[in-house]
Amino acid sequence: DGGITQSPKYLFRKEGQNVTLSCEQNLNHDAMYWYRQDPGQGLRLIYYSQIVNDFQKGDIAEGYSVSREKKESFPLTVTSAQKNPTAFYLCASSIENSNTEAFFGQGTRLTVV
Amino acid sequence: GQQLNQSPQSMFIQEGEDVSMNCTSSSIFNTWLWYKQDPGEGPVLLIALYKAGELTSNGRLTAQFGITRKDSFLNISASIPSDVGIYFCAGRSNTGKLIFGQGTTLQVKP
Repeated sequence: DGGITQSPKYLFRKEGQNVTLSCEQNLNHDAMYWYRQDPGQGLRLIYYSQIVNDFQKGDIAEGYSVSREKKESFPLTVTSAQKNPTAFYLCASSIENSNTEAFFGQGTRLTVV
Repeated sequence: GQQLNQSPQSMFIQEGEDVSMNCTSSSIFNTWLWYKQDPGEGPVLLIALYKAGELTSNGRLTAQFGITRKDSFLNISASIPSDVGIYFCAGRSNTGKLIFGQGTTLQVKP
């Protein structure tokens, strides 16, 4: 089945460690996005990519890094520089970056202890 | 960055009642999207709007793309318990960024 898959669903890490969240899609979408969601809040854009080997910072990129080496994959690394990394992370993709709907994965809940 | 103001923040209604929520922005958007999110899950797309003035329905849901391109509303008619969740609006700008509102939490009393 076509879709967008995030893994793992739950992730625990010690403070000070980098951690990478996986996002894979087999929808042949060009654009991919990473959002952060905190309890009771909306989705805030971390990074987005419109095409392979290209990505742009969103509104809260500090402490995060991404890569887009393949069309299907857009991994997000939460670095030790991110001061408050515990959150629900959502990945999305769309056919292109304009005038099309975006579809989400099931999310990864990261807890840093 | 660009912001969307979504209201109301939360609603607690009786089963069978109609619901209305809206989003406004100071910026123009090319596309408006409405999503529903269940706890611990990713948002699911409900309705997509592509033209100013467009009115689109999906079952009991109706959404409109404001004529100024700076606002959108979502109506749910005859609410049922499974409508419970968080509803988000999202606007896509001409730079490709997809910006989300803060969400409306809906609770339905049977």
